[in-house]
Amino acid sequence: DTGVSQNPRHKITKRGQNVTFRCDPISEHNRLYWYRQTLGQGPEFLTYFQNEAQLEKSRLLSDRFSAERPKGSFSTLEIQRTEQGDSAMYLCASSLWDRLGEQYFGPGTRLTVT
Amino acid sequence: AQSVTQLGSHVSVSEGALVLLRCNYSSSVPPYLFWYVQYPNQGLQLLLKYTTGATLVKGINGFEAEFKKSETSFHLTKPSAHMSDAAEYFCAVNTGNQAGTALIFGKGTTLSVSS
Repeated sequence: DTGVSQNPRHKITKRGQNVTFRCDPISEHNRLYWYRQTLGQGPEFLTYFQNEAQLEKSRLLSDRFSAERPKGSFSTLEIQRTEQGDSAMYLCASSLWDRLGEQYFGPGTRLTVT
Repeated sequence: AQSVTQLGSHVSVSEGALVLLRCNYSSSVPPYLFWYVQYPNQGLQLLLKYTTGATLVKGINGFEAEFKKSETSFHLTKPSAHMSDAAEYFCAVNTGNQAGTALIFGKGTTLSVSS
């Protein structure tokens, strides 16, 4: 069990640029979640997958955000035309389908939009 | 809709003292409740969870929490704080009563432990 990994750990980009983050879940976990965390706040749910199917998306996930999980393994989160308000820590978590609430979190990707 | 309120963004205790971190919830379905901990530069990890059954649940590192439906509370306690307990603690509730649904987190409480 190598844990959930996320790359890159830090990303600085200029407003208007596109960015993509990657998450590699624990290998046997079929559920994968994306959260966003800003300073002084708890993580906010963005979206989640079961295998390759995206099952739920939050209202927070604007049209500029897209997530994929091809082949039900790693996942990518892309933000198009970044805005300063997108600056946050983006967290990925994974779990087994039947383990209620037992999500394993990665270290996160910190995005700074200048 | 589900929500979580953590009372006190910062709690300071002395080593060996009781730790009490407060969490109140609101839920339109029977709640499943969780406490997660985040150590500096590490990912969140599950401390303990309540789903059904016994209302007093024990977690890792000597922490426990009691589900009180009448008070809509799920406070986290530890009898004797250790320096290594210094971290940020998040209370969370499931968005639904099915496995795999998302978590709604509180804003977090930073625990400081002094010697």
